[in-house]
Order: sequence, then C-alpha cells, then structure tokens
Amino acid sequence: KAGVTQTPRYLIKTRGQQVTLSCSPISGHRSVSWYQQTPGQGLQFLFEYFSETQRNKGNFPGRFSGRQFSNSRSEMNVSTLELGDSALYLCASSSPTGMNTEAFFGQGTRLTVV
Amino acid sequence: SQKIEQNSEALNIQEGKTATLTCNYTNYSPAYLQWYRQDPGRGPVFLLLIRENEKEKRKERLKVTFDTTLKQSLFHITASQPADSATYLCALDIPGGSQGNLIFGKGTKLSVKP
Repeated sequence: KAGVTQTPRYLIKTRGQQVTLSCSPISGHRSVSWYQQTPGQGLQFLFEYFSETQRNKGNFPGRFSGRQFSNSRSEMNVSTLELGDSALYLCASSSPTGMNTEAFFGQGTRLTVV
Repeated sequence: SQKIEQNSEALNIQEGKTATLTCNYTNYSPAYLQWYRQDPGRGPVFLLLIRENEKEKRKERLKVTFDTTLKQSLFHITASQPADSATYLCALDIPGGSQGNLIFGKGTKLSVKP
C-alpha cells in the first residue's frame, strides 16, 4: 500500500507570491489534514478535509486555504506569501473507520519564502 | 486552550539504558494520546496510541503510560539503541475535532550514544 505522497518536496517562493501544495492520501483514506511545522511553534494544525468538505480548521489566517477532490487528493494554497510562512508543510491521512485514529504523514513540502 | 509540554527539548542517554520522555497537558482530558517519531526532514511516524481508560500500553521495546489525574504521559524506550535517536512527539486529539486533528507537543530530541 503506497503511503501519503506530497509534492513538491521543496519550493522557493518570493514574498507576495502564492503557492499550491499537493497531497495524495493512502488509498481508501478520506480524511486529509494539513499541518505547518516550524522550529519555534512546532507542528500546528491548519485544517482537515473529509469527502471534499472542510471539516475542521485551525487558527491560521484566511491566506491559508485548501480543497479536496473526489479522489480524496487534497491541495493547500497560501496566498500573499510572507517570510514567516517558511516552514515544513505536512499532510496526514486517516483511516475512515473511526477506530484507529493514528495519522499517516507524508514526507512534507519544505517551503522557503525569500 | 489546550497546552502540551514535553519537558525536555533534548535528552542524551547511553546505549542500553532506558529513555523516559514526558508529556504533560493542561485543561481538558483527551480521549486518547499518541506518540510519534520524527527523523530530520521527514514526516512523523505513528508509534503508539493510548486511550483515556488505559493505564499502560506496550509495543516491543516501547511502553506508554497515561495518568489522567496527573495529566501526564510517560514514554519509555528500553534497551535503547543509536537507531532510536530521533525527535519524539506526543499528540492529543483536538476537542470537537475529528480523527486526525491533533495538537502536538514541540517534541523531545533523543540522542542515544554508543
């Protein structure tokens, strides 16, 4: 079974630009969550999508948005990039059964804003 | 809001010894608590989940305890090996959130010296 796949692995963007990151969950998983990881704040929950709907949202500004497609693949978009958006962005998928609540993480996308 | 503290940013131990990592939380009692391992440049990998009605869980050389009175979880690695060197994260479910929506501690970086 293939794991969670995130593309691209690395990105360098300029302040003010926008960026789109992609995540393909484990086959059969319908829940995809996104996290931002920085040295200072650690791993912080951005939002979660389930069956193409945003189900939960963390405490991030509206510049951070996402969507999910019918095949459960998800994209995350950050508009008007700021230097502080430089981080490792991780997505995680979860089993649909509701009993095993572990999260399966991808390798992450390392975003650098210059 | 819920806060998670992992007492040590870094822990150095000798090979063969038992490593004990601490995770403390405030406010509400979570339905479950999870431990993850993260290697540099990679996403976290799930290790163990313990539910609020469980006192202890074991998996090979790993043991997790959960004390809801103390609001604390202890994570033990027995007979530690240099390959156990990594950052270990504890995570709690977000209240009102869905599976896969987690609050993470900032992690403890474990170094096992030969």
